[in-house]
Amino acid sequence: QSALTQPASVSGSPGQSITISCTGTYSDIGTYNSVSWYQQHPGKAPKLIIYDVTNRPSGVSNRFSGSKSGNTASLTISGLQADDEGDFYCSSYTGTDTPYVFGTGTTVTVL
Amino acid sequence: EEQLVESGGGLVQPGGSLRLSCVASGFSFSTYGMNWVRQAPGKGLEWVSYIGSYRPTTFYADSVKGRFTISRDNAKNSLFLQMNSLRAEDTAIYYCAKDLSSWGQGTVVTVSS
Repeated sequence: QSALTQPASVSGSPGQSITISCTGTYSDIGTYNSVSWYQQHPGKAPKLIIYDVTNRPSGVSNRFSGSKSGNTASLTISGLQADDEGDFYCSSYTGTDTPYVFGTGTTVTVL
Repeated sequence: EEQLVESGGGLVQPGGSLRLSCVASGFSFSTYGMNWVRQAPGKGLEWVSYIGSYRPTTFYADSVKGRFTISRDNAKNSLFLQMNSLRAEDTAIYYCAKDLSSWGQGTVVTVSS
């Protein structure tokens, strides 16, 4: 199972919106609505911010939103803040005997 | 509050073995599938292994199949990863994760001579 494809880096100014893409295949993102997004600050564990494509866990800012079209999922961060800097990863269920796959990761920089 | 605490990491020579543990609290451990995920230095996340809640369903990444064994003790709210025939490329932070929703802080495994 190959890793999902994400851009290596995305940047934006405070207050702007940015979107991170996550491209898979019909066998994972294209078939299952089990896409999650994680935020990871340096030296910290990943934190779930979006699950099942569009849902936010309790306590996660509504500035984070998710969507999916075909084999590509997207994470949008609106009203960019300095604390949003870090690495972001997507994941998808695959329905195979290697049931989960992660994206390659995207580093977000706030200019 | 859900909490996952990993332990058992350390420095081991190539070909050696380690057993990682993860103790869970704050949720009904026995009703959730559990995962191990690793992150090599400066690299991205890699799913390693999954074990189902009640049935002994287990899955492994191709990179660890035949060398790693995942298990759990629901009576002790504990998850384990037995790692044998370790290689340099197994060097990573190993996280346990409940359903990939809640994560521990990780334990560091270094494979080096």
